[in-house]
Amino acid sequence: QQQVKQSPQSLIVQKGGISIINCAYENTAFDYFPWYQQFPGKGPALLIAIRPDVSEKKEGRFTISFNKSAKQFSLHIMDSQPGDSATYFCAARNNFGNEKLTFGTGTRLTIIP
Amino acid sequence: EAGVTQFPSHSVIEKGQTVTLRCDPISGHDNLYWYRRVMGKEIKFLLHFVKESKQDESGMPNNRFLAERTGGTYSTLKVQPAELEDSGVYFCASSWRQGIGNEQFFGPGTRLTVL
Repeated sequence: QQQVKQSPQSLIVQKGGISIINCAYENTAFDYFPWYQQFPGKGPALLIAIRPDVSEKKEGRFTISFNKSAKQFSLHIMDSQPGDSATYFCAARNNFGNEKLTFGTGTRLTIIP
Repeated sequence: EAGVTQFPSHSVIEKGQTVTLRCDPISGHDNLYWYRRVMGKEIKFLLHFVKESKQDESGMPNNRFLAERTGGTYSTLKVQPAELEDSGVYFCASSWRQGIGNEQFFGPGTRLTVL
């Protein structure tokens, strides 16, 4: 059973456009929702994270929107650039349980000129 | 500061052989995690060490997998004997502490192919 569902699997966006990746979770004990960015040949790197007590968090061109009642969260990349082309993973963790991250299946984002 | 390193970067072995993957965490990080991504699927948790002790090994697939962390420093993950379904990318991550504010730093992964 997949606890964090991510969509779409792949996404092509024109330079300057908005990239949107969505995730939904099942476990209401999750208390921390990070997004990871992975470039080819590298490991996933933390991009931005949110806790469920806020509905939105913004860092530069990256924004997480969080809907606790719907158990959904999304990553928005504004003014998308070719350098943003990477695989993005949403994840969830229970801060007061074990430390393991539960990941989505990943979205391969390609920004075209 | 050096990041998490993993060795080898790639390994190709035949079914039934043994392979040992190594992870060197960031210096001073007590927490070490192993994850695996099977082709196109999610990254799945395998286990978590705190220093040399296994905190959580609920994600280990079966007893063909053995993880160790000698002296609370580097860790090894041995697969013996390897099966076709063990193919994937094995990631190691480390963190300084647990709980709120804990960020896991990932290594580049070891791509394992079992033929």
